[in-house]
Amino acid sequence: AQKITQTQPGMFVQEKEAVTLDCTYDTSDQSYGLFWYKQPSSGEMIFLIYQGSYDEQNATEGRYSLNFQKARKSANLVISASQLGDSAMYFCAMRVGTTGGGNKLTFGTGTQLKVEL
Amino acid sequence: DSGVTQTPKHLITATGQRVTLRCSPRSGDLSVYWYQQSLDQGLQFLIQYYNGEERAKGNILERFSAQQFPDLHSELNLSSLELGDSALYFCASSVSPGTGGYNEQFFGPGTRLTVL
Repeated sequence: AQKITQTQPGMFVQEKEAVTLDCTYDTSDQSYGLFWYKQPSSGEMIFLIYQGSYDEQNATEGRYSLNFQKARKSANLVISASQLGDSAMYFCAMRVGTTGGGNKLTFGTGTQLKVEL
Repeated sequence: DSGVTQTPKHLITATGQRVTLRCSPRSGDLSVYWYQQSLDQGLQFLIQYYNGEERAKGNILERFSAQQFPDLHSELNLSSLELGDSALYFCASSVSPGTGGYNEQFFGPGTRLTVL
């Protein structure tokens, strides 16, 4: 079975500082994908960044980067130069294949990030 | 705006009732997924359809069923509703059914279901 663990229920960061949100995962699959989603208070789920299990380089998307350490089974999200608009819940998710040729996302419990002035 | 639409946005109903949630995927996406987000269970995968066929199933209750129609929109039917079914139900879509490459899932805005 697949599992995602996010051990930080809440985090505070000063505006313009960098912050790291932790994510560890567990799977016996060799092929998987790791995603980070942002959920503002309005409720929608916004895709931030993706890392494939065979990707050798860490993914980056603007101010977001994913620190992928395969041996440690961790996929931490780094947000640089935090902005007030980054205040939201952040979910780490893992995609694995299913019998029947489908796929599904397994989510962690999330980290509530608050950016302060 | 992800391009995935869900209706209705809010739904309030009573225990024992039946409701239908509707989802239209992004243009060009053939795969649709349903997720439930509740305070108790967090975000859980329910079911996936690809071009009308069921492709993956999660912890979906027997009281719940889904289908994907020829025009690719999908409906999630919830029956004999209980208080614990109150949750935010998301639909997501992607281009292909499997795990190759990005195949990112784009999420709709969700339907908030309240069972009284």
